[in-house]
Amino acid sequence: GAGVSQSPSNKVTEKGKDVELRCDPISGHTALYWYRQSLGQGLEFLIYFQGNSAPDKSGLPSDRFSAERTGGSVSTLTIQRTQQEDSAVYLCASSFLQNIQYFGAGTRLSVL
Amino acid sequence: AQSVTQLDSHVSVSEGTPVLLRCNYSSSYSPSLFWYVQHPNKGLQLLLKYLSGSTLVKGINGFEAEFNKSQTSFHLRKPSVHISDTAEYFCAVSVFSGGYNKLIFGAGTRLAVHP
Repeated sequence: GAGVSQSPSNKVTEKGKDVELRCDPISGHTALYWYRQSLGQGLEFLIYFQGNSAPDKSGLPSDRFSAERTGGSVSTLTIQRTQQEDSAVYLCASSFLQNIQYFGAGTRLSVL
Repeated sequence: AQSVTQLDSHVSVSEGTPVLLRCNYSSSYSPSLFWYVQHPNKGLQLLLKYLSGSTLVKGINGFEAEFNKSQTSFHLRKPSVHISDTAEYFCAVSVFSGGYNKLIFGAGTRLAVHP
């Protein structure tokens, strides 16, 4: 079956612009996670969804970051007023009942 | 607090030789442990997992790992590596906090396999 799908695969934007990153999880997976992979920081947890609700947003780096999930499926991660330090690979993962996490290929964000 | 330490940031070996990638963890309870591999410009692929039971875990592509509770280790090994094993490898522990699980990753080990 299809895996976790993320789009776009690459995004180049100018500092100060808003960006939206999309994640389409594996069908039937109830849990969805966003991580950020950046040089010098490794893999950082950002946010977790169970269904449509996000019980823990504490990993989001600043209030410029937000995420939503609709219909218990697709999720979007929005970064407002992007900064150069937001440049990273944003990875999405999904799992069934919080078990093993399966990752998408990621979105590589470059902020110029 | 739970954490993962990957003891080698870079490993370079010849094709056909064995490789050992080391991982130590700290966890306040019986952990769930994972190894993921990331090829260049790709996402993370699950290699293998330890949830419970047998301490020797076999994964894909000939990789295996051994859970050692007394040494708090979960080292990854392969008896004979191939050029295509060149990638970055991440060890992770699953942490239950706030009513859900999240993964805590090590810093990664870059494996280079040369002819």
